[in-house]
Amino acid sequence: DSGVTQTPKHLITATGQRVTLRCSPRSGDLSVYWYQQSLDQGLQFLIQYYNGEERAKGNILERFSAQQFPDLHSELNLSSLELGDSALYFCASSPGQGVIYEQYFGPGTRLTVT
Amino acid sequence: DAKTTQPNSMESNEEEPVHLPCNHSTISGTDYIHWYRQLPSQGPEYVIHGLTSNVNNRMASLAIAEDRKSSTLILHRATLRDAAVYYCILSHGVYNTDKLIFGTGTRLQVFP
Repeated sequence: DSGVTQTPKHLITATGQRVTLRCSPRSGDLSVYWYQQSLDQGLQFLIQYYNGEERAKGNILERFSAQQFPDLHSELNLSSLELGDSALYFCASSPGQGVIYEQYFGPGTRLTVT
Repeated sequence: DAKTTQPNSMESNEEEPVHLPCNHSTISGTDYIHWYRQLPSQGPEYVIHGLTSNVNNRMASLAIAEDRKSSTLILHRATLRDAAVYYCILSHGVYNTDKLIFGTGTRLQVFP
C-alpha cells in the first residue's frame, strides 16, 4: 500500500460525457502527478501540481483539466470523452516538486468509455 | 530529449541474480537515472535512482557506467514477486519542471 488513494476504482461512461477522478496523496506529500496508461501509448505523464500550483505539463489534452485543492487532494476532469480515452489513470505523490523525489503511485482508476 | 533503450523482455530463475541493462547514450550531465517497476495490475513502484555513483538500497543496486551512457539494475536474488515491467527513465529539464517519461520497459519473468 503506497498511501495514495484514488477513487473510483472503475468508471464506465459513454462518449461525450464528463467524469472526475479523485486522488488523495500520501500524508505530507505536496506534489501530485497524473498519468495515463493505455495499451497503445504506454504510461504517459499528464500534469503535475505542487502545493496547489501547476508545475509541469505533459501530453494532456485540452479536454482534460486538473486542480489541486488546499487540502492537497487533486482531481482530474475529463470531458467530451472519446473511445480513445479509455485507459488506466494513475495518480502519484511525492514530498517535493522535482523528480529526484520518489513518486508513490496509487492503484489507479480504470476508465472505460463506451 | 535523452532516451533510454531496454530489452523488451528477460527471464530469470528464482533466487538467481538479475542484471537489467539500460542504454542512454545521449544522457546529459544533469540527468538522473531512475528505475521504476510495475507489477501486474498495480501502479508503478519506485526502485532506485542515481546520478553518477553506484547506489544500493533494500530493493536493488544501480550500477552506472563511468561515461554514464549505460546503467544496470541489479536484483541480487530474484523472487517470484519481482516479475514485473522495469522502466529505466531519465529525468530531464530544469529541476522545477522535471518529469518522468516512461518508455516500454523490460518485462522480467521469474521462474520457480
